[in-house]
Amino acid sequence: GAGVSQSPRYKVAKRGQDVALRCDPISGHVSLFWYQQALGQGPEFLTYFQNEAQLDKSGLPSDRFFAERPEGSVSTLKIQRTQQEDSAVYLCASSLGQGAGDTQYFGPGTRLTVL
Amino acid sequence: AQKVTQAQTEISVVEKEDVTLDCVYETRDTTYYLFWYKQPPSGELVFLIRRNSFDEQNEISGRYSWNFQKSTSSFNFTITASQVVDSAVYFCALSEPYTGNQFYFGTGTSLTVIP
Repeated sequence: GAGVSQSPRYKVAKRGQDVALRCDPISGHVSLFWYQQALGQGPEFLTYFQNEAQLDKSGLPSDRFFAERPEGSVSTLKIQRTQQEDSAVYLCASSLGQGAGDTQYFGPGTRLTVL
Repeated sequence: AQKVTQAQTEISVVEKEDVTLDCVYETRDTTYYLFWYKQPPSGELVFLIRRNSFDEQNEISGRYSWNFQKSTSSFNFTITASQVVDSAVYFCALSEPYTGNQFYFGTGTSLTVIP
């Protein structure tokens, strides 16, 4: 079966450009998460969706970061006016239910490099 | 404060040796979940195990085993008879259902198995 997919896998942006990262969760998964993983570090939470509702965005580092999941399936993470400190791997994960302890299944990530 | 600590940054072992990866967590909740993920060079986080706080039984899956000890807040992972394919970064994660849906990850342990 298809897992979580993300596109693009690699993105290079010039400082100040806007970028959009896409996540296709496992079909039927209710919950969707975005994490940011800096080099040599563990993933850090950005935001969480339950269906189309964004229930937690406490991890978004600034108002330049915006995420949406308008139809409760595909999600997009948008970063406006990118800065060098935004360079990281952005991971998307989905889980079947609404439970906080449900297993999250991760995509391959998008590696963003801001020059 | 770090909720999940993986003190071992890098470990190298010779093939067929056993290796234990340490994970210490911190939580005030009585209900929580612990996870281990494997991140090979391709970047995708691969789910290995999920354990809830009420189940202290140790678990074995093939060459993998996990030792959960609430008394020491540890959830250690042992690979028996290591193989080159086990080379990866391994992450331990904590979920606190009554706090939120996010996972808290450790900083990971990079395991290299030398043939």
